[in-house]
Amino acid sequence: AQSVAQPEDQVNVAEGNPLTVKCTYSVSGNPYLFWYVQYPNRGLQFLLKYITGDNLVKGSYGFEAEFNKSQTSFHLKKPSALVSDSALYFCAVRGGMNSGGGADGLTFGKGTHLIIQP
Amino acid sequence: GAVVSQHPSWVICKSGTSVKIECRSLDFQATTMFWYRQFPKQSLMLMATSNEGSKATYEQGVEKDKFLINHASLTLSTLTVTSAHPEDSSFYICSACRLAGGPSCEQFFGPGTRLTVL
Repeated sequence: AQSVAQPEDQVNVAEGNPLTVKCTYSVSGNPYLFWYVQYPNRGLQFLLKYITGDNLVKGSYGFEAEFNKSQTSFHLKKPSALVSDSALYFCAVRGGMNSGGGADGLTFGKGTHLIIQP
Repeated sequence: GAVVSQHPSWVICKSGTSVKIECRSLDFQATTMFWYRQFPKQSLMLMATSNEGSKATYEQGVEKDKFLINHASLTLSTLTVTSAHPEDSSFYICSACRLAGGPSCEQFFGPGTRLTVL
């Protein structure tokens, strides 16, 4: 069974400072890793994904994430936080090995509230 | 971009009644859609995988007779909560899978449907 851990319920960062939202995973085979953001009363928005290739993945809104296989981590980062980045962030994983032709549901972490203080 | 809609956005019903939620991919065809459930301040839990033209695949612990899924076309999947009870109150989110020719489909999420059972 695959699982995702987001150890922090909430992360507080001052505007302009770098931010990190942590995520570790457990999955059989090579993982497909995702980050999504959820704003109040809105659907999940895709930020970035790691399938293969460079360990540093760049995504939407200036976010990036680093895949670390030895530490089974996929932490989300941004060099300079904005107040508008305040939202709920979800890390998700899908096992790389499947028999479904590439379409499997995602396993989500419990989410991390990111609060950027002006 | 790829847009997924859900209807209704919120619904209140009496205990014992059935409620149908629609999920539509507006600008792409989705042979696979997923249904998730999100409890307050908790993560998304995959309920089932909906495949066009075939039976849905349910996750362990999800009652298929209670949560009926129909994927009648390449752009529409419906989730019917039968004989709803207050414990079924939740936020239901669908996603549609758009294959990009690689090993992983990209999931686009709908805005969710808030179900409240009185």
